[in-house]
Amino acid sequence: DIVMTQSPDALAVSLGERATIKCKSSQSVLYSSNNKNYLAWYQQKPGQPPKLLISWASTRESGVPDRFSGSGSGTDFTLTISSLQAEDVAVYYCQQYYRTRTFGQGTKVEIK
Amino acid sequence: EVQLVESGGALVQPGGSLRLSCAASGFAFENHWMSWVRQAPGKGLEWVANLNQGGSDKYYVGSVKGRFTISRDNAKNSLYLQMNSLRAEDTAVYYCARDFAVAGVKEGLDYWGQGTLVTVSS
Repeated sequence: DIVMTQSPDALAVSLGERATIKCKSSQSVLYSSNNKNYLAWYQQKPGQPPKLLISWASTRESGVPDRFSGSGSGTDFTLTISSLQAEDVAVYYCQQYYRTRTFGQGTKVEIK
Repeated sequence: EVQLVESGGALVQPGGSLRLSCAASGFAFENHWMSWVRQAPGKGLEWVANLNQGGSDKYYVGSVKGRFTISRDNAKNSLYLQMNSLRAEDTAVYYCARDFAVAGVKEGLDYWGQGTLVTVSS
């Protein structure tokens, strides 16, 4: 199984500041035949189901604000919130879909 | 509008069985893989199982293999999860989620239901 490890487990960021979440996979999720990284990011607010933010490591879903960006390749990925807003308080998960599916343990983002 | 509505969650004793259902609407259900994902109270997300459009290819997380069975009825736009030999550690909110239609084109779990709570306790 592919293990996904996120860091940190939690972070507190001031409004308007940058939040950075790391995700590392135990093996590469880059599919060589199409050069795509099989990696997604989700946001989950309290009492709600998760919401898909980013797929293919860096492709934002329709309607997702452009302050959210994804980067990385192979085994190391990053989700960046460029200017944290109050509504961004949530738990964020990475997920690989290279081989079945596995989620990271989640990163809780709070306001400092 | 895409909608996924889970049902069937309940309090069940260890060793018992339960069948969850997910009613889908607003999209061509028969064109998509579908997944079940669970979340234990206060914990993170755990992918449980998925299956292909026709229901012939099924995949499970190791901890439920041999105990859970995923299935679908495309005529009824419904997804199911039969859970047997339930354990306390299966206690969670179970979400139904839409998976991909065409591999390599659009992936990720892009629509989710609100979830149904399964509690395994004596």
